Amino acid sequence: NAGVTQTPKFQVLKTGQSMTLQCAQDMNHEYMSWYRQDPGMGLRLIHYSVGAGITDQGEVPNGYNVSRSTTEDFPLRLLSAAPSQTSVYFCASTRDHLGTEAFFGQGTRLTVV
Amino acid sequence: EDQVTQSPEALRLQEGESSSLNCSYTVSGLRGLFWYRQDPGKGPEFLFTLYSAGEEKEKERLKATLTKKESFLHITAPKPEDSATYLCALRTPGGYSTLTFGKGTMLLVSP
Repeated sequence: NAGVTQTPKFQVLKTGQSMTLQCAQDMNHEYMSWYRQDPGMGLRLIHYSVGAGITDQGEVPNGYNVSRSTTEDFPLRLLSAAPSQTSVYFCASTRDHLGTEAFFGQGTRLTVV
Repeated sequence: EDQVTQSPEALRLQEGESSSLNCSYTVSGLRGLFWYRQDPGKGPEFLFTLYSAGEEKEKERLKATLTKKESFLHITAPKPEDSATYLCALRTPGGYSTLTFGKGTMLLVSP
């Protein structure tokens, strides 16, 4: 069982470059979310989706875009990377709004130089 | 605004030395308090969900308890493999399954 798969695991970008962090889940979960984890800050919600075609902003959405065209995939786009976006990014999925357990991917460590 | 504060930031124990981690929270209406374990370089892994004061849940050497203001994660006779960062989180309001996390407690258990 794959669960939540994130790619790539590591990435180095130059300031101003764009990229997409991929997230896929094979559990047919409705809810998917993106978090970033920074030292001393804990995990913070970037964007989330409650189903295909529906997305909304979390606590720290600036500089990031998302879309949800299928149940399985929830990519996170950085349009113009900034050093402040250096972080570890985690994708999570939950069965539905009553789901008690969020399943997390292994993370993408992004460095913007 | 929902807030989650975990203490201590770091804890070092000897193998077999029991202790507790604290999670203090403020929320307008509790819709679930969660405990996760995170190993270095990995994503958080679900441990427990608690919904109401007085509730307790156990898994191996771990027991989570809940009051109206705090949750404790009790670790009984820990082993080195229990070393990890333990995260506490609240389900955010609005009916959506997203989480507000504390900063975590890093636990190191020495043999």
